[in-house]
Amino acid sequence: AAGVIQSPRHLIKEKRETATLKCYPIPRHDTVYWYQQGPGQDPQFLISFYEKMQSDKGSIPDRFSAQQFSDYHSELNMSSLELGDSALYFCASSLGQGHNSPLHFGNGTRLTVT
Amino acid sequence: AQSVSQHNHHVILSEAASLELGCNYSYGGTVNLFWYVQYPGQHLQLLLKYFSGDPLVKGIKGFEAEFIKSKFSFNLRKPSVQWSDTAEYFCAVRDSGAGSYQLTFGKGTKLSVIP
Repeated sequence: AAGVIQSPRHLIKEKRETATLKCYPIPRHDTVYWYQQGPGQDPQFLISFYEKMQSDKGSIPDRFSAQQFSDYHSELNMSSLELGDSALYFCASSLGQGHNSPLHFGNGTRLTVT
Repeated sequence: AQSVSQHNHHVILSEAASLELGCNYSYGGTVNLFWYVQYPGQHLQLLLKYFSGDPLVKGIKGFEAEFIKSKFSFNLRKPSVQWSDTAEYFCAVRDSGAGSYQLTFGKGTKLSVIP
């Protein structure tokens, strides 16, 4: 079965650079969530989208922005990167925003900021 | 806002031992509960979920969890662990009464199974 696809798998950037992470949800899934997982940490919710509109916002820094496109894929844009942004960034998708919709996670993008 | 507590940071077991990982959440309303597993270097995979109904939930790979509302708990169990169960386990909760659909995760419990 198709899963959530994230690209790239690994990304190395320098401080103050920008990065764009992409997420392709499971076909027909209309809701996308972004999570950040620091080394040895639990995943922290950043932001989510439902039907191309932002639906919820978590601990996303102002330097980051995201959007969901007409084909439901989503991109997380990160600017003025800091060393502390080094983490694993997970995207998850679900079908609808109902509370009975479990989240399915992608393999993540490992971002290293040097 | 809800929070999730996982009691054990690291659990070490021998193969065939029984497993119970604790999870408590803080929110008193109606919740959805999940256990995810993360194998080394991999993404989070859903083990099992509870939305309503029978509080004893069976998941994949022989795992089960019991929702005890009075104790705000959703402990994960497996009668006999295998070396391949070595992974990190995350409990997560979603407030099913609010307009927010994202998950709040616990800090995770790392399970090491010794052959």
